[in-house]
Amino acid sequence: GAGVSQTPSNKVTEKGKYVELRCDPISGHTALYWYRQSLGQGPEFLIYFQGTGAADDSGLPNDRFFAVRPEGSVSTLKIQRTERGDSAVYLCASSLGAEETQYFGPGTRLLVL
Amino acid sequence: GENVEQHPSTLSVQEGDSAVIKCTYSDSASNYFPWYKQELGKRPQLIIDIRSNVGEKKDQRIAVTLNKTAKHFSLHITETQPEDSAVYFCAAKTGGSYIPTFGRGTSLIVHP
Repeated sequence: GAGVSQTPSNKVTEKGKYVELRCDPISGHTALYWYRQSLGQGPEFLIYFQGTGAADDSGLPNDRFFAVRPEGSVSTLKIQRTERGDSAVYLCASSLGAEETQYFGPGTRLLVL
Repeated sequence: GENVEQHPSTLSVQEGDSAVIKCTYSDSASNYFPWYKQELGKRPQLIIDIRSNVGEKKDQRIAVTLNKTAKHFSLHITETQPEDSAVYFCAAKTGGSYIPTFGRGTSLIVHP
């Protein structure tokens, strides 16, 4: 079946702009995760959804970052007033349940100029 | 919280040799240890995982061993091939937690 998909695959924006990154999880997966991966690092946790609610947003670096999952499927990560330090690959993962194996999407490579 | 250390950061081997990547973790309550392979520009893909109720798991040329007492686990790849070249990440997760903590990755280079 279809895996986790993310759009766009690449996003170039200017400092101060607003961006939205989209994640389509595997159908039927109730758990959804957002990670950020900088060059030479492992994935860094940002936020976790169980169904429609953000069960844990402790990884969001500051209030410029926000994520939603209004119908318990697709999720959008929103970044306001982007900064050059936000440049990274943003990975989404989903799992059947919170205790199950996570499957990653291909990521969105964000570059803030 | 959990802290995962991964070594080495880079590993270069000749085709046909074995490769071993080691991770240590800090939280003795961790009970799930997945390994992911990430090729350049691609998504991390689960290649093998192990739970704390077993000490070793094998899948063809790949094996993972777990030493709960020492709090370390290792990935073993035998008969390496050039297509094994990638970055490998280990992770550890405690029971009841839904967030794995990842190591910093090991860049494996297999020379033909």
